[in-house]
Amino acid sequence: KQEVTQIPAALSVPEGENLVLNCSFTDSAIYNLQWFRQDPGKGLTSLLLIQSSQREQTSGRLNASLDKSSGRSTLYIAASQPGDSATYLCAVRRVSDYKLSFGAGTTVTVRA
Amino acid sequence: GAGVSQSPSNKVTEKGKDVELRCDPISGHTALYWYRQSLGQGLEFLIYFQGNSAPDKSGLPSDRFSAERTGGSVSTLTIQRTQQEDSAVYLCASSSGGAPPGELFFGEGSRLTVL
Repeated sequence: KQEVTQIPAALSVPEGENLVLNCSFTDSAIYNLQWFRQDPGKGLTSLLLIQSSQREQTSGRLNASLDKSSGRSTLYIAASQPGDSATYLCAVRRVSDYKLSFGAGTTVTVRA
Repeated sequence: GAGVSQSPSNKVTEKGKDVELRCDPISGHTALYWYRQSLGQGLEFLIYFQGNSAPDKSGLPSDRFSAERTGGSVSTLTIQRTQQEDSAVYLCASSSGGAPPGELFFGEGSRLTVL
């Protein structure tokens, strides 16, 4: 069974500070890893998808790295803004499986 | 469509009633997933469709839950004789098939409240 852990569970930072969100998984035989954002009462918005053959993906202020052998991914958000306040979830898809296994998420608050 | 569409967005029902939740995936996406998110909890996998087939239904919480997908497109999740513990947000997602699997896109969810 794939276990996905996200640390920290919650994070509060002042505006402008860089954010570092961590995700670890137990089974390194994965197809890909995906980062999502969830606003209160909303569905999940896909942020970045990293295939197992990739080391990182970038989109604007977001950068996600993947170290498959150690079972870790990190999401960096540069120059945080109050609009970045949300819950961030990582999910991995195992080669032996078809469904994404989700972490519990990191709830981020960016203070103006 | 442009995104995954779910209906209804909100449903309030009485204990013991049946409910149907609908998901319309992104056009051309062969894979469709149902997840459940209870208040303050993580995402719980329910069922996965590849085309019209559901290879694994083991995530369904009980035999009161069923799902079908027709024409490789729209899916319906049915909950019979609803219980209060069924109250949650039911999320549908779709992706392209193949290997490696494509990016997963979620709908806004159907919030179910069982009184």
